[in-house]
Amino acid sequence: GAVVSQHPSRVICKSGTSVKIECRSLDFQATTMFWYRQFPKQSLMLMATSNEGSKATYEQGVEKDKFLINHASLTLSTLTVASAHPEDSSFYICSVGGHDTDTQYFGPGTRLTVL
Amino acid sequence: QKEVEQNSGPLSVPEGAIASLNCTYSDRGSQSFFWYRQYSGKSPELIMFIYSNGDKEDGRFTAQLNKASQYVSLLIRDSQPSDSATYLCAVTGTASKLTFGTGTRLQVTL
Repeated sequence: GAVVSQHPSRVICKSGTSVKIECRSLDFQATTMFWYRQFPKQSLMLMATSNEGSKATYEQGVEKDKFLINHASLTLSTLTVASAHPEDSSFYICSVGGHDTDTQYFGPGTRLTVL
Repeated sequence: QKEVEQNSGPLSVPEGAIASLNCTYSDRGSQSFFWYRQYSGKSPELIMFIYSNGDKEDGRFTAQLNKASQYVSLLIRDSQPSDSATYLCAVTGTASKLTFGTGTRLQVTL
Protein backbone atom coordinates (compact mmCIF):
# COMPACT_ATOMS: atom_id res chain seq x y z
CA GLY A 1 0.00 0.00 0.00
CA ALA A 2 0.90 3.67 -0.16
CA VAL A 3 3.14 5.27 2.42
CA VAL A 4 1.80 8.58 3.66
CA SER A 5 3.37 11.06 6.05
CA GLN A 6 1.93 14.05 7.85
CA HIS A 7 3.58 16.97 9.55
CA PRO A 8 3.31 18.06 12.25
CA SER A 9 2.02 15.15 14.30
CA ARG A 10 0.79 17.44 17.03
CA VAL A 11 0.23 21.16 17.32
CA ILE A 12 -1.01 23.35 20.13
CA CYS A 13 -1.82 26.93 19.29
CA LYS A 14 -3.67 29.96 20.54
CA SER A 15 -7.09 30.91 19.26
CA GLY A 16 -6.84 33.01 16.11
CA THR A 17 -3.67 31.36 14.85
CA SER A 18 -3.54 29.78 11.40
CA VAL A 19 -2.15 26.27 11.29
CA LYS A 20 -0.75 24.45 8.25
CA ILE A 21 -0.71 20.65 8.03
CA GLU A 22 1.27 18.86 5.34
CA CYS A 23 0.42 15.50 3.81
CA ARG A 24 2.96 13.72 1.65
CA SER A 25 2.67 10.63 -0.50
CA LEU A 26 6.11 9.07 -0.18
CA ASP A 27 6.09 6.24 -2.67
CA PHE A 28 3.87 7.24 -5.56
CA GLN A 29 2.35 10.23 -7.23
CA ALA A 30 -1.13 10.96 -6.00
CA THR A 31 -3.48 13.02 -8.11
CA THR A 32 -6.08 12.82 -5.38
CA MET A 33 -5.72 13.10 -1.64
CA PHE A 34 -8.45 13.23 0.97
CA TRP A 35 -8.69 15.18 4.23
CA TYR A 36 -10.66 13.85 7.19
CA ARG A 37 -11.43 15.10 10.65
CA GLN A 38 -12.15 12.94 13.67
CA PHE A 39 -13.55 14.22 16.95
CA PRO A 40 -13.15 12.14 20.12
CA LYS A 41 -15.18 8.93 20.11
CA GLN A 42 -16.57 9.71 16.66
CA SER A 43 -15.82 8.32 13.26
CA LEU A 44 -13.87 9.91 10.45
CA MET A 45 -15.67 12.58 8.51
CA LEU A 46 -14.51 13.51 5.05
CA MET A 47 -13.81 17.23 4.82
CA ALA A 48 -12.59 17.60 1.27
CA THR A 49 -11.04 15.92 -1.72
CA SER A 50 -7.79 17.48 -2.83
CA ASN A 51 -7.06 17.38 -6.54
CA GLU A 52 -3.60 18.10 -7.90
CA GLY A 53 -3.54 21.27 -9.95
CA SER A 54 -7.16 22.19 -9.35
CA LYS A 55 -9.48 23.37 -6.60
CA ALA A 56 -10.42 21.07 -3.80
CA THR A 57 -13.92 19.68 -3.53
CA TYR A 58 -15.42 20.35 -0.11
CA GLU A 59 -18.09 18.32 1.64
CA GLN A 60 -21.30 19.95 2.65
CA GLY A 61 -20.92 22.04 5.77
CA VAL A 62 -17.14 22.44 5.50
CA GLU A 63 -16.10 26.07 5.07
CA LYS A 64 -13.63 26.37 2.23
CA ASP A 65 -12.43 29.76 3.46
CA LYS A 66 -11.69 28.27 6.86
CA PHE A 67 -10.02 25.06 5.69
CA LEU A 68 -7.74 26.01 2.83
CA ILE A 69 -6.41 23.14 0.76
CA ASN A 70 -3.55 23.33 -1.68
CA HIS A 71 -2.42 20.37 -3.78
CA ALA A 72 0.44 21.90 -5.69
CA SER A 73 2.31 18.72 -6.54
CA LEU A 74 1.64 15.02 -6.97
CA THR A 75 3.20 14.25 -3.62
CA LEU A 76 2.10 17.09 -1.38
CA SER A 77 -1.22 18.44 -0.18
CA THR A 78 -1.58 21.02 2.57
CA LEU A 79 -4.50 21.90 4.80
CA THR A 80 -4.46 25.30 6.47
CA VAL A 81 -6.88 25.93 9.30
CA ALA A 82 -7.39 29.69 9.15
CA SER A 83 -7.89 31.58 12.40
CA ALA A 84 -8.32 28.42 14.41
CA HIS A 85 -10.74 28.35 17.34
CA PRO A 86 -11.13 25.82 20.16
CA GLU A 87 -13.97 24.06 18.28
CA ASP A 88 -11.47 23.27 15.51
CA SER A 89 -9.51 21.10 17.94
CA SER A 90 -9.57 17.64 16.40
CA PHE A 91 -7.56 14.86 14.81
CA TYR A 92 -6.90 15.69 11.15
CA ILE A 93 -5.97 12.79 8.89
CA CYS A 94 -5.12 12.73 5.23
CA SER A 95 -5.30 9.77 2.91
CA VAL A 96 -4.04 8.79 -0.49
CA GLY A 97 -5.85 6.60 -2.97
CA GLY A 98 -4.15 3.46 -4.23
CA HIS A 99 -3.38 2.82 -7.87
CA ASP A 100 -6.51 1.87 -9.80
CA THR A 101 -8.45 1.02 -6.67
CA ASP A 102 -10.78 2.68 -4.21
CA THR A 103 -8.48 1.74 -1.36
CA GLN A 104 -7.26 4.64 0.73
CA TYR A 105 -4.14 4.66 2.84
CA PHE A 106 -4.00 7.03 5.76
CA GLY A 107 -1.30 9.25 7.11
CA PRO A 108 -0.51 9.13 10.83
CA GLY A 109 -2.70 12.14 11.57
CA THR A 110 -2.21 15.54 13.14
CA ARG A 111 -3.71 16.33 16.50
CA LEU A 112 -4.66 19.98 16.71
CA THR A 113 -5.40 21.62 20.04
CA VAL A 114 -6.54 25.23 19.99
CA LEU A 115 -6.41 26.97 23.34
CA GLN B 1 -30.80 6.27 8.83
CA LYS B 2 -27.03 6.24 9.00
CA GLU B 3 -25.26 5.28 5.80
CA VAL B 4 -22.94 2.80 7.47
CA GLU B 5 -23.96 1.26 10.78
CA GLN B 6 -21.92 -0.64 13.30
CA ASN B 7 -22.52 -1.69 16.86
CA SER B 8 -20.28 0.52 18.98
CA GLY B 9 -19.52 -2.25 21.46
CA PRO B 10 -17.40 -2.91 23.30
CA LEU B 11 -17.28 -6.45 22.02
CA SER B 12 -15.38 -8.55 24.51
CA VAL B 13 -13.91 -11.90 23.49
CA PRO B 14 -11.42 -14.16 25.27
CA GLU B 15 -7.98 -14.68 23.82
CA GLY B 16 -8.01 -17.40 21.20
CA ALA B 17 -11.70 -17.01 20.38
CA ILE B 18 -13.29 -15.78 17.16
CA ALA B 19 -14.37 -12.15 17.08
CA SER B 20 -17.24 -11.32 14.74
CA LEU B 21 -17.74 -7.71 13.70
CA ASN B 22 -20.73 -6.63 11.67
CA CYS B 23 -21.64 -3.71 9.45
CA THR B 24 -24.68 -2.74 7.39
CA TYR B 25 -24.87 -0.06 4.73
CA SER B 26 -27.73 1.77 3.11
CA ASP B 27 -26.50 2.55 -0.42
CA ARG B 28 -27.24 -0.40 -2.70
CA GLY B 29 -24.91 1.07 -5.30
CA SER B 30 -21.88 0.69 -3.04
CA GLN B 31 -19.06 -1.08 -4.80
CA SER B 32 -16.14 -1.46 -2.43
CA PHE B 33 -16.01 -2.40 1.22
CA PHE B 34 -13.18 -1.97 3.66
CA TRP B 35 -12.23 -2.83 7.20
CA TYR B 36 -9.80 -0.58 9.02
CA ARG B 37 -8.32 -1.02 12.46
CA GLN B 38 -7.72 2.04 14.61
CA TYR B 39 -5.78 2.00 17.82
CA SER B 40 -6.50 4.74 20.32
CA GLY B 41 -4.86 7.99 19.27
CA LYS B 42 -3.69 6.58 15.94
CA SER B 43 -4.93 6.80 12.38
CA PRO B 44 -6.79 3.94 10.66
CA GLU B 45 -4.84 1.03 9.24
CA LEU B 46 -6.25 -1.01 6.35
CA ILE B 47 -6.95 -4.63 7.23
CA MET B 48 -8.93 -5.90 4.28
CA PHE B 49 -11.05 -4.91 1.34
CA ILE B 50 -13.69 -6.91 -0.46
CA TYR B 51 -15.57 -6.21 -3.68
CA SER B 52 -17.51 -9.40 -4.45
CA ASN B 53 -20.12 -11.38 -2.60
CA GLY B 54 -18.75 -14.19 -0.50
CA ASP B 55 -15.75 -14.63 1.73
CA LYS B 56 -12.22 -13.34 1.46
CA GLU B 57 -9.55 -14.66 3.78
CA ASP B 58 -6.21 -13.13 4.73
CA GLY B 59 -4.38 -14.83 7.55
CA ARG B 60 -6.52 -14.70 10.68
CA PHE B 61 -8.99 -12.31 9.07
CA THR B 62 -12.00 -13.17 6.92
CA ALA B 63 -14.24 -10.57 5.35
CA GLN B 64 -17.73 -11.57 4.29
CA LEU B 65 -19.94 -9.60 1.92
CA ASN B 66 -23.62 -10.05 1.16
CA LYS B 67 -24.79 -7.31 -1.19
CA ALA B 68 -28.38 -8.53 -1.24
CA SER B 69 -28.59 -8.04 2.52
CA GLN B 70 -26.30 -4.97 2.42
CA TYR B 71 -24.15 -6.57 5.05
CA VAL B 72 -20.41 -6.94 5.49
CA SER B 73 -18.61 -8.62 8.35
CA LEU B 74 -15.13 -9.27 9.63
CA LEU B 75 -14.11 -12.41 11.47
CA ILE B 76 -10.91 -12.51 13.48
CA ARG B 77 -9.77 -16.00 14.36
CA ASP B 78 -7.49 -16.79 17.30
CA SER B 79 -8.01 -13.31 18.71
CA GLN B 80 -5.00 -11.79 20.43
CA PRO B 81 -4.79 -8.95 22.97
CA SER B 82 -3.03 -6.93 20.27
CA ASP B 83 -6.24 -7.10 18.24
CA SER B 84 -7.93 -4.89 20.83
CA ALA B 85 -8.81 -1.74 18.91
CA THR B 86 -11.70 -0.03 17.17
CA TYR B 87 -12.65 -1.59 13.86
CA LEU B 88 -14.06 0.74 11.25
CA CYS B 89 -16.21 -0.42 8.38
CA ALA B 90 -16.02 1.81 5.30
CA VAL B 91 -17.92 1.79 2.05
CA THR B 92 -17.31 3.62 -1.22
CA GLY B 93 -20.05 5.10 -3.30
CA THR B 94 -19.63 7.80 -5.89
CA ALA B 95 -16.28 9.39 -6.69
CA SER B 96 -14.43 6.85 -4.57
CA LYS B 97 -15.50 8.62 -1.40
CA LEU B 98 -15.22 6.53 1.72
CA THR B 99 -18.08 6.61 4.21
CA PHE B 100 -17.17 5.27 7.60
CA GLY B 101 -19.21 3.66 10.29
CA THR B 102 -18.70 4.79 13.86
CA GLY B 103 -16.64 1.70 14.62
CA THR B 104 -16.86 -1.27 16.96
CA ARG B 105 -14.52 -1.39 19.90
CA LEU B 106 -13.05 -4.86 20.37
CA GLN B 107 -11.55 -5.99 23.65
CA VAL B 108 -9.64 -9.26 23.71
CA THR B 109 -9.30 -10.46 27.27
CA LEU B 110 -6.61 -12.70 28.70
